[in-house]
Amino acid sequence: SQQGEEDPQALSIQEGENATMNCSYKTSINNLQWYRQNSGRGLVHLILIRSNEREKHSGRLRVTLDTSKKSSSLLITASRAADTASYFCATALDSSYKLIFGSGTRLLVRP
Amino acid sequence: DVKVTQSSRYLVKRTGEKVFLECVQDMDHENMFWYRQDPGLGLRLIYFSYDVKMKEKGDIPEGYSVSREKKERFSLILESASTNQTSMYLCASSRPRGRRNYGYTFGSGTRLTVV
Repeated sequence: SQQGEEDPQALSIQEGENATMNCSYKTSINNLQWYRQNSGRGLVHLILIRSNEREKHSGRLRVTLDTSKKSSSLLITASRAADTASYFCATALDSSYKLIFGSGTRLLVRP
Repeated sequence: DVKVTQSSRYLVKRTGEKVFLECVQDMDHENMFWYRQDPGLGLRLIYFSYDVKMKEKGDIPEGYSVSREKKERFSLILESASTNQTSMYLCASSRPRGRRNYGYTFGSGTRLTVV
């Protein structure tokens, strides 16, 4: 069963705009991670936020985590055409090495 | 540049064939994983291994087996390929919990078609 569910499923924006993707999950977690996947390729790790953190930044990426609502958001600021990809959240449960992935958000950044 | 290498990008096999998907990582990672990715279903965990010769079932192990004889190599085996195993297969590795970063490093994927 899917632990993380991304919202929206698809997002189309203009270059330069900000893109926000949301992820909800069901059970308590140790950490939550975001990945990017370019078409037909493997996933690339973007950022990890631990359950005791509320916000984290990496370059143009900002991730927030609200454990009371069991949700996270990924914000990409000043988007570029090269940001076009699918974005997945993944949760690490308390006592497992495993990551459970959501079904992803497809982001299209129009030039 | 550290990486996870999957032996084939594209593979076409016949129903009933025994299929081996190979994955090698050069990061000395303890944990290795096999996922399959299907449209609308996201990534689903097939098997994982947290040490040499150790393996654990994921969410969808039926029809698959794995082998981890060496730390750097994790093989996925389809004992008798079926058309419903047509999918993108992704291998990943990570350091165990307790280390600084346990994000996954993924391979580029193998797109398997069973005809």
